[in-house]
Amino acid sequence: DIQMTQSPSSLSASVGDRVTITCQASQHISNFLNWYQKKQGKAPKLLIYDASNLETGVPSRFSGSGSGRDFTFTISSLQPEDLATYYCQQYDNLPFTFGGGTTVEIK
Amino acid sequence: QVQLQESGPGLMKPSETLSLTCTVSGGSISSGDNYWSWIRQPPGKGLEWIGYIYYSGNTHYNPSVKSRVAISVDTSKNQFSLNLSSVTAADTAVYWCARYNSSGYYYLQGAFDIWGQGTMVTVSS
Repeated sequence: DIQMTQSPSSLSASVGDRVTITCQASQHISNFLNWYQKKQGKAPKLLIYDASNLETGVPSRFSGSGSGRDFTFTISSLQPEDLATYYCQQYDNLPFTFGGGTTVEIK
Repeated sequence: QVQLQESGPGLMKPSETLSLTCTVSGGSISSGDNYWSWIRQPPGKGLEWIGYIYYSGNTHYNPSVKSRVAISVDTSKNQFSLNLSSVTAADTAVYWCARYNSSGYYYLQGAFDIWGQGTMVTVSS
């Protein structure tokens, strides 16, 4: 299985801050990576697909980049409604695997 | 738009077989390049993909549960189902059904773009 390692596991930032989360794959996965947002008690929501493409309807403050083994997810200006846990997910190979998640808290 | 809804028991005893059904509405389970999946999250832990089924019946399972899992599809009812046998406390989790929309040149290229609301399953004696 391809292991996905996210860091940090949690962070606390103020409204308006720039937030960056990293995801590293245990092997090369090209750009075969998605990012999801999961709010408490809700299903995950797709934000970014193919490492850098914004899903329709998702605010432009969310972005993704990277290829190979190293990927970055950024919230350019943190908003109160961004309180959530964020997960990366690879689809280079089965089984699909997710990162351990990064919980974003608002200061 | 397409919506998914899980149904099934919330409380089970160890060694029983978990059966969950996902009803697809607003679209056909047979349309498009979609892989209909089950995903779970144990309390305090991360997300785990369990497996998927294509409308034709082709399946692929996570090796972590492969010996205990079966996913089936009923195109006439627009539903797909999860059976997980010999459950233990470790199978306690929120279970979601989700659509994996495969959209690219690579057969796995895609994403889980539509999810059900999820159902909590507790395994306890």
